[in-house]
Amino acid sequence: GQQVMQIPQYQHVQEGEDFTTYCNSSTTLSNIQWYKQRPGGHPVFLIQLVKSGEVKKQKRLTFQFGEAKKNSSLHITATQTTDVGTYFCAGVNSGYALNFGKGTSLLVTP
Amino acid sequence: SAVISQKPSRDICQRGTSLTIQCQVDSQVTMMFWYRQQPGQSLTLIATANQGSEATYESGFVIDKFPISRPNLTFSTLTVSNMSPEDSSIYLCSVAGGILPNTEAFFGQGTRLTVV
Repeated sequence: GQQVMQIPQYQHVQEGEDFTTYCNSSTTLSNIQWYKQRPGGHPVFLIQLVKSGEVKKQKRLTFQFGEAKKNSSLHITATQTTDVGTYFCAGVNSGYALNFGKGTSLLVTP
Repeated sequence: SAVISQKPSRDICQRGTSLTIQCQVDSQVTMMFWYRQQPGQSLTLIATANQGSEATYESGFVIDKFPISRPNLTFSTLTVSNMSPEDSSIYLCSVAGGILPNTEAFFGQGTRLTVV
C-alpha cells in the first residue's frame, strides 16, 4: 500500500531561521495535503497541491509538489514562535481517507 | 467547512472495560473516518464509517475491538472494547469538507484515552 515518508522527524530552530520538511510517497499521488497540529490540538488543514510541479505560497509558507507527484515540501521563511507544532503531509488513499506521513515537529526558540 | 463535536474529550478507564466515543457533525457527510494517534506519533486510520453499511477497517484493526456505528449522515460512534494500556491514545474522528478526494479534512478535537 501507499507509504508516505516524512523527514526530518524533529527540527529545532532559532526564531528567524528557515525551516523545511520533506515528504516522499512510495506511489504517485493524485494530490497531497499539508496539515499543522499545535501541541494538544488536532490537525488543521493548510493546503492542497494537485498539479505536477505546483508551487503555492501562504505568507511565509511555501509548498511544492514534485514533477513526478511523489514528493512534496513545505518551507517556512523566518520562523516565528507561532509556527511551533507538528507538520504532516498526507496523501489520499484509494478509500478517500488520508494517509499521513510521520510528521515533523518544529520547535522555535525565541 | 464542517464543525465536529467529539466527546468525551478525555477519559481514564480501567483495563478490560469499554469506552464509546461520539462524533457529531454539523452537516451531512457521506464518509466519516476514525484515526488513532499514539503519543508523539502520526495519525493512523482505524476505519471508514459509511452510513447504511458496515465500516471498512484498515489492516491491524478489527470490528470486535473497535466496533463502529453510523446511524445517520451526521453522527458516528467508535467503541474501544476490552481496553488494555496499549489502547492509550488519542482518537480522532474526521470528515471530508466536500467532494472526495480533492477536499480538505476536518477533525474533531480528539478523545485522549488513558487505560490504567
